[in-house]
Amino acid sequence: GDQVEQSPSALSLHEGTGSALRCNFTTTMRAVQWFQQNSRGSLINLFYLASGTKENGRLKSTFNSKESYSTLHIRDAQLEDSGTYFCAASMATGGNNKLTFGQGTVLSVIP
Amino acid sequence: NAGVIQTPRHKVTGKGQEATLWCEPISGHSAVFWYRQTIVQGLEFLTYFRNQAPIDDSGMPKERFSAQMPNQSHSTLKIQSTQPQDSAVYLCASSSDTYEQYFGPGTRLTVL
Repeated sequence: GDQVEQSPSALSLHEGTGSALRCNFTTTMRAVQWFQQNSRGSLINLFYLASGTKENGRLKSTFNSKESYSTLHIRDAQLEDSGTYFCAASMATGGNNKLTFGQGTVLSVIP
Repeated sequence: NAGVIQTPRHKVTGKGQEATLWCEPISGHSAVFWYRQTIVQGLEFLTYFRNQAPIDDSGMPKERFSAQMPNQSHSTLKIQSTQPQDSAVYLCASSSDTYEQYFGPGTRLTVL
């Protein structure tokens, strides 16, 4: 079954508002990455976390490996934040660094 | 730093033809990964190399797909006898010992 469950699948935000995306993991993960996929299809690195919380501008991400989830918070959303957001995680066992991706969240920021 | 380079950006092949996709990792990165993105399956892992050695090819279709990394500056993904269901965006990523992966822009393969 799916090891990474991402929600919501779609999200609409008015400019200036905020929300959170979440990924739940069905197995223990070593680290998580969050990406934004832009209109050209490029995956832009937002965060890499092995634990704890990181913040970058209007974005903040948390990874709790014990409780098997990660979140991405967006505040004061801007039009350029529109796109598809993915979480991806690598398993803690086996020493394998391959990423398993969530299904993605399509974010639309509305003026 | 040019980032991960993938060529070609777009490739159209006829059913049954061969397609070779190229990836140049970020200089100094020791690991190279290949993924595939489709609307139906999303982003899925294909194979990866560390220090040019194949580590895990569990995501590769057993027939027609092969990957190589002949030197530290490039990797290739070859698809023989392409089928319409091979149409996808093929993404290459590289990482250093810090494990964070950086992705190239992808190659959009269309099999007619």
